[in-house]
Amino acid sequence: EVQLVQSGAEVKKPGESLKISCKGSGYSFNNYWIAWVRQMPGKGLEWMGIIYPGDSDTTYSPSFQGQVTISADKSVSTAYLQWSSLKASDTAMYYCARHRKEKIINDYWGQGTLVTVSS
Amino acid sequence: QSALTQPASVSGSPGQSITISCTGTSSDVGGYNYVSWYQHHPGKAPKLVIYEVSNRPSGVSNRFSGSKSGNTASLTIFGLQAEDEADYYCSSYTSSSTYYVFGTGTKVTVL
Repeated sequence: EVQLVQSGAEVKKPGESLKISCKGSGYSFNNYWIAWVRQMPGKGLEWMGIIYPGDSDTTYSPSFQGQVTISADKSVSTAYLQWSSLKASDTAMYYCARHRKEKIINDYWGQGTLVTVSS
Repeated sequence: QSALTQPASVSGSPGQSITISCTGTSSDVGGYNYVSWYQHHPGKAPKLVIYEVSNRPSGVSNRFSGSKSGNTASLTIFGLQAEDEADYYCSSYTSSSTYYVFGTGTKVTVL
């Protein structure tokens, strides 16, 4: 069974750093892209970017380029999303998903990680 | 790259059919058959219900149907059921540097 399990909710202060994770199982993690998607409170889904764990090839949405870093460690079948200096506007639910480029779809999703940034 | 345009809300009674539109441009919806639709119940992970404009993943009810005409894609839900009450998002490949874009989302209410 394909599963993506994300790390737990985080509460941080502005300016702090953060790295959240997404662990894949039940499939060949190295051979499928992982996408990250943001949902701000009361808002819609936003595409952040994708990474290919096999070679760490990464594409960012221009809206998120330079704002976050997407990475992966194929040895532990885990993808990451990190911030070096959080802002209150980073408060959101973040989802990872397995992305299939040949069909341009996100077929399996993680349960989401809620990030709250507040002073 | 702006989000694809969807109506904010659509409603219908149980058993009725509803259609959600998703309008883009020739650089995304109109130019490629890579439109997909996601059902999102609050607090849960989104679920793929339609891909490549009109294909249903295994296990998705045949009450969900997708189509496209020009720059506008549509999701139709036949025989509306209470469990269909959720947010629905279209998405598409885009030839812009963004690569992929979601729609603005539509809240479906079952009356």
